[in-house]
Amino acid sequence: NAGVTQTPKFQVLKTGQSMTLQCAQDMNHEYMSWYRQDPGMGLRLIHYSVGAGITDQGEVPNGYNVSRSTTEDFPLRLLSAAPSQTSVYFCASSFGGGRAQTQYFGPGTRLLVL
Amino acid sequence: GIQVEQSPPDLILQEGANSTLRCNFSDSVNNLQWFHQNPWGQLINLFYIPSGTKQNGRLSATTVATERYSLLYISSSQTTDSGVYFCAVDYSGGSNYKLTFGKGTLLTVNP
Repeated sequence: NAGVTQTPKFQVLKTGQSMTLQCAQDMNHEYMSWYRQDPGMGLRLIHYSVGAGITDQGEVPNGYNVSRSTTEDFPLRLLSAAPSQTSVYFCASSFGGGRAQTQYFGPGTRLLVL
Repeated sequence: GIQVEQSPPDLILQEGANSTLRCNFSDSVNNLQWFHQNPWGQLINLFYIPSGTKQNGRLSATTVATERYSLLYISSSQTTDSGVYFCAVDYSGGSNYKLTFGKGTLLTVNP
């Protein structure tokens, strides 16, 4: 049982490049989400999904796309990277049931946009 | 939206000391969770505690939902307790799945 896994661990991009951050979980969780963590800001929700085929925006969705074709995977796409997207990105998952349950976080991806 | 404020922002302790971290929130919530982020960045869920009191070893948490606050108690602190402690709330007036995080309390436990 690997829990929540994220790849890559670290990535450097140039402004305007695109990339996909991968997130997978093997706990059969319905709910998955992406957060970004910036110094002094805590964690802010980017996008979330309550099940395969269903996604919605969080607090800071601009510049990011998501899709959820399977229960296990929830990739985050940066369409055209900007320096403001330099951050640490965390994926989380939990059981559903109508409300956010105990969240399990992945190890994070550190992204630097030059 | 809901406001989540944590205090103190920073706390330095000697090993063996006790501490209390506070989380205030501005509106009704459906649940509240406490997390520990260790110095390597990993986030671990400590408590899922919409109301009442829970204990897990040296850690315990109390949420008084009617007064809109939660407390995290750490007793006999150890150096491994160092890191950032976050509370996060599921706002009753918002989407069912949107967790709002506080900015955290940075705890340093010195040997």
